[in-house]
Amino acid sequence: QKEVEQNSGPLSVPEGAIASLNCTYSDRGSQSFFWYRQYSGKSPELIMFIYSNGDKEDGRFTAQLNKASQYVSLLIRDSQPSDSATYLCAVNAGGFKTIFGAGTRLFVKA
Amino acid sequence: GAVVSQHPSWVICKSGTSVKIECRSLDFQATTMFWYRQFPKQSLMLMATSNEGSKATYEQGVEKDKFLINHASLTLSTLTVTSAHPEDSSFYICSALGRERTDPGEQYFGPGTRLTVT
Repeated sequence: QKEVEQNSGPLSVPEGAIASLNCTYSDRGSQSFFWYRQYSGKSPELIMFIYSNGDKEDGRFTAQLNKASQYVSLLIRDSQPSDSATYLCAVNAGGFKTIFGAGTRLFVKA
Repeated sequence: GAVVSQHPSWVICKSGTSVKIECRSLDFQATTMFWYRQFPKQSLMLMATSNEGSKATYEQGVEKDKFLINHASLTLSTLTVTSAHPEDSSFYICSALGRERTDPGEQYFGPGTRLTVT
């Protein structure tokens, strides 16, 4: 059973701080990794995708991938109250199938 | 940008009735559409993958006779929950993969449909 694990949180950070969200996956053969943001009652929206080991930066977001450790993370710099949401880690499980983690709830305190 | 719509956004129905949910890609052709279900505080669970013009592929444990999926065109897929029961109450979300997208993670999600079965 391929799995994606995330700490459910909530993770609480003050405004302006760095929020660090972590995810581990079980399938060593996974090649594509994604972070989605989901506001309560809404559907997910793609924030970042990463395919290679290392860091990938996009604005205030940085995705980090370590395939040897089967670990992917998302850093949010200068966190804003509007970043408060559930962040879903997702991993391509082969073919067209994507497996989602249960998500980490993030609260950014003003 | 790519837009995916769902209709209805929410629906309440009586136990034993059937409900149809539509998923449309508004400005692109979606060769593949996915149907997910999400219970409160849980992750998205893939129910089935549908490809235009062919039968849907259901995930293990999903009853294909209960959750009927039709992908009749490159812009429309429908999910019909037949003989709905209270345990089918959930948030149903579709997503679409455009022709130019080859990675299933790069999906465009619809806004979701909240189904409540009384």
